[in-house]
Amino acid sequence: EAGVTQFPSHSVIEKGQTVTLRCDPISGHDNLYWYRRVMGKEIKFLLHFVKESKQDESGMPNNRFLAERTGGTYSTLKVQPAELEDSGVYFCASSPSTGLSNEQFFGPGTRLTVL
Amino acid sequence: QKEVEQDPGPLSVPEGAIVSLNCTYSNSAFQYFMWYRQYSRKGPELLMYTYSSGNKEDGRFTAQVDKSSKYISLFIRDSQPSDSATYLCAMRVGTGRRALTFGSGTRLQVQP
Repeated sequence: EAGVTQFPSHSVIEKGQTVTLRCDPISGHDNLYWYRRVMGKEIKFLLHFVKESKQDESGMPNNRFLAERTGGTYSTLKVQPAELEDSGVYFCASSPSTGLSNEQFFGPGTRLTVL
Repeated sequence: QKEVEQDPGPLSVPEGAIVSLNCTYSNSAFQYFMWYRQYSRKGPELLMYTYSSGNKEDGRFTAQVDKSSKYISLFIRDSQPSDSATYLCAMRVGTGRRALTFGSGTRLQVQP
């Protein structure tokens, strides 16, 4: 079974540019999460999709960040315009909807560098 | 103040040692407690999870939760060089919301 995949693995952009990160969850997982780890800090929650609906977006830092999950499969996270403080590693995770599953399966992350 | 405090280490131990990793937290609403292991350039991988207080054992790993003290621990017995990684504690509230709150992670190095 394929795990959570993320693309690209690394992105370097200039301040003010736009970047779109993609996450493909494990097939059949209705729950999809975005987290990020900025330099020297802990991993922090951004938002949670159930299928195509945003269940919880309380962690989104500001309106420069836009997450979508059209069709309830893969998700994208767009940062527009990017700022220096957006640099970090962006993780995607997914989990099934059955029972009280607490296991969120994480992808390898996208390392974003804003210059 | 952070909701979850975790000593960043690094922690260096000889092969075969017992390792103790800990986190403290401030939010009494946390009900699920997890330990993740993260190797360099990889995503976190779930090792153990515990609901509410108590102990849970899985092979060489034991997780303990003391809700009265807001303190959780992960013990690794007979540590191996392959256990060298960053260990992250994570927790979430009991109902509805599934967002995980992470500690900053402890780097563990097991010396052969």
